[in-house]
Amino acid sequence: TQLLEQSPQFLSIQEGENLTVYCNSSSVFSSLQWYRQEPGEGPVLLVTVVTGGEVKKLKRLTFQFGDARKDSSLHITAAQPGDTGLYLCAGDYSWGKLQFGAGTQVVVTP
Amino acid sequence: EAEVAQSPRYKITEKSQAVAFWCDPISGHATLYWYRQILGQGPELLVQFQDESVVDDSQLPKDRFSAERLKGVDSTLKIQPAELGDSAMYLCASSRDSMTQYFGPGTRLLVL
Repeated sequence: TQLLEQSPQFLSIQEGENLTVYCNSSSVFSSLQWYRQEPGEGPVLLVTVVTGGEVKKLKRLTFQFGDARKDSSLHITAAQPGDTGLYLCAGDYSWGKLQFGAGTQVVVTP
Repeated sequence: EAEVAQSPRYKITEKSQAVAFWCDPISGHATLYWYRQILGQGPELLVQFQDESVVDDSQLPKDRFSAERLKGVDSTLKIQPAELGDSAMYLCASSRDSMTQYFGPGTRLLVL
């Protein structure tokens, strides 16, 4: 099993602050995906990173894939209450088979 | 925008009973996945279909779980008999190209 460790497990911040979530593994992945999940709903794909060292920006969200394709980070600038949710990283280890991390619960208070 | 449909959204059952969940993937998506997500954890793959064929069911507890996708479109996941430890969110996802998976809203199961 290719383990993906996410940190921190829980993050509570005030609106306007920045935050970073980390996803680490000892395994190499062909790609890595970040999802956000609301309570009682399925995960929604935010981004897929494929190339080592790749950086993708989605409005206030910045995603980075490590050079060795073993780790990734998600940075949110000026967080808003709407950013509240469970952030999951998932590594593709074999033709679309995903290994998920346990998630980081982010709470942004007004 | 097309979505993955799942039903029921919630299911409460007693242990030893049988339960079934249904998933209708996005039209044209050949690959279908069933995941189980225990509270506080990430989703874990139970079974993967390519059209009507099972590609991977190595993590499916076959003594009590079964899954089928008879016509290569919608799919059913069954648990018989249900156990207390089966309480979880059951998620269905579909994919056209095996790179991007789209998840349904899930079925939350509570076994009493």
